[in-house]
Amino acid sequence: DADVTQTPRNRITKTGKRIMLECSQTKGHDRMYWYRQDPGLGLRLIYYSFDVKDINKGEISDGYSVSRQAQAKFSLSLESAIPNQTALYFCATATPGFETQYFGPGTRLLVL
Amino acid sequence: DQQVKQNSPSLSVQEGRISILNCDYTNSMFDYFLWYKKYPAEGPTFLISISSIKDKNEDGRFTVFLNKSAKHLSLHIVPSQPGDSAVYFCAASVGNSGGSNYKLTFGKGTLLTVNP
Repeated sequence: DADVTQTPRNRITKTGKRIMLECSQTKGHDRMYWYRQDPGLGLRLIYYSFDVKDINKGEISDGYSVSRQAQAKFSLSLESAIPNQTALYFCATATPGFETQYFGPGTRLLVL
Repeated sequence: DQQVKQNSPSLSVQEGRISILNCDYTNSMFDYFLWYKKYPAEGPTFLISISSIKDKNEDGRFTVFLNKSAKHLSLHIVPSQPGDSAVYFCAASVGNSGGSNYKLTFGKGTLLTVNP
């Protein structure tokens, strides 16, 4: 079984809709991250959380919100989706003291 | 302002030859560097890393070199294999010691194609 899972893997939605992307991990890591990848732009950090009570904005948090429901779960919400939020979204986890982040398989989101 | 730069969007090499992927950074506070490999339809996977206290780290066919004065690192793959064909991301972080926030800043990636 995968250590970091993301649901859904693919999603098509319409402009203005609210959607939620979910991430779960079995690695026991405290730190969780949400990134988006756009063609030619690499991975950019949206939000990160160092524990259940700690949520921080990344470099491109506008239009997004997150919820850390438990150590193992970190959800990303688009309150009102817009077409330029069409991208590949990745969740990642890490443990304090180690820089390496472990990524989920990604969610491909298309906003029409 | 892009703090981690991978100036070559793509690289093509022959099987068995050396692949050299380059990465430059501008933030002198970066003290830990990582390379990730990404296949289509999968998440990035960690490949190799290096701390700023070292100038070389080797793991099998993969070696990362760090030149702090030039703010440059490179990933060498020897010998290259067709299965190495993927997008390679360079990443950097600040504060490997106490007080670190452990955020990674990624480059845009380089698509490596290894031809049989």
